[in-house]
Amino acid sequence: GAVVSQHPSRVICKSGTSVKIECRSLDFQATTMFWYRQFPKQSLMLMATSNEGSKATYEQGVEKDKFLINHASLTLSTLTVTSAHPEDSSFYICSARVDYNEQFFGPGTRLTVL
Amino acid sequence: AQSVTQLDSQVPVFEEAPVELRCNYSSSVSVYLFWYVQYPNQGLQLLLKYLSGSTLVKGINGFEAEFNKSQTSFHLRKPSVHISDTAEYFCAVTRWGAGGTSYGKLTFGQGTILTVHP
Repeated sequence: GAVVSQHPSRVICKSGTSVKIECRSLDFQATTMFWYRQFPKQSLMLMATSNEGSKATYEQGVEKDKFLINHASLTLSTLTVTSAHPEDSSFYICSARVDYNEQFFGPGTRLTVL
Repeated sequence: AQSVTQLDSQVPVFEEAPVELRCNYSSSVSVYLFWYVQYPNQGLQLLLKYLSGSTLVKGINGFEAEFNKSQTSFHLRKPSVHISDTAEYFCAVTRWGAGGTSYGKLTFGQGTILTVHP
């Protein structure tokens, strides 16, 4: 089956630093990947849609300069949290779309900003 | 726009008992419906999906769901739960036939934590 990986699985950083999270589709090509954010005991909130070779589409209220998304190849999308602050601490999950009615999710990245 | 409401935030049950997790949705267009399971500190795994055809959908791990268009519901059921079913369950929808930036975007419910007690 389709496998999506994320790296790192857990990261702790100091306030003001930038953190990059990678999302890879291991055995298939994904022209579209999605980035979600999940706060403790809450649902997933879609942050942006990442399309290979083009700019990401951000959801309303998500700062594009804060959360930089790059989808440089058909198997890799990256999310960079720039100048991270404690309120950016969250669980970030990516998914890769196989077709319009199915996505495969990565295992998530736990970001803690001190 | 679509919205999803999971009517129960927490459902405690005993092992081998039946369970139903409720999901209602709202949409002005036709949708595809999904149930996902999330174990602690992990991503989401697809349990089952309804695209078209039979309204009773069978998924993995013995789960099934029934699509009821008139009641705009997609409740998840399992006749006999196991301890290993303890997890959080999310109902989600996506518009079918949508193009552009809506293509494949999922709208999730708030989640239901299923706790199976011995």
